[in-house]
Amino acid sequence: SQQGEEDPQALSIQEGENATMNCSYKTSINNLQWYRQNSGRGLVHLILIRSNEREKHSGRLRVTLDTSKKSSSLLITASRAADTASYFCATDAQLKGEKLTFGTGTRLTIIP
Amino acid sequence: EPEVTQTPSHQVTQMGQEVILRCVPISNHLYFYWYRQILGQKVEFLVSFYNNEISEKSEIFDDQFSVERPDGSNFTLKIRSTKLEDSAMYFCASSARDSYGYTFGSGTRLTVV
Repeated sequence: SQQGEEDPQALSIQEGENATMNCSYKTSINNLQWYRQNSGRGLVHLILIRSNEREKHSGRLRVTLDTSKKSSSLLITASRAADTASYFCATDAQLKGEKLTFGTGTRLTIIP
Repeated sequence: EPEVTQTPSHQVTQMGQEVILRCVPISNHLYFYWYRQILGQKVEFLVSFYNNEISEKSEIFDDQFSVERPDGSNFTLKIRSTKLEDSAMYFCASSARDSYGYTFGSGTRLTVV
């Protein structure tokens, strides 16, 4: 079964710096999504990248996908204190309506 | 922006009691899901629901769990006899026919004592 693993597990950076988080998975995917979760709160969808895409941007977010390496990265530029949260990648394998398989998450702390 | 609404936000129940977690998905969405997250662990898939029936379920979703869409708007998760290990955050999600994006609710924190 496919499995998402993020690294690092935890990341602390100074406000204004860029944060990069990585995700690896094991099986073929249809698309990969990144979610943010503030402590004890719900999951917020950040960005979706399809298997035939290599890079996608949304505001300060940049996502890359390398299907040959079965990996993705999430870059947050010019970080802010409000970016402090856990970030998860999630993959689905086939059709719309397919379940998501979540990674273990990266806990990002932005130091003001 | 449309939201998935979950109620209650927090529920405390005694072991062995039945609980019903409620969700109102986005109105034009066709696929509905329940996920759970035990504190400090991964978000895990429980069940997906489409066309008024379960389309897929995980090993976690045993006979103690059931889902229902009783009135065309609500989507419920019932746990018949709660166990201590059912304590977790439960998330409802929905997605549309023509979109790969999922919208998650803010979750119900279930505490079994």
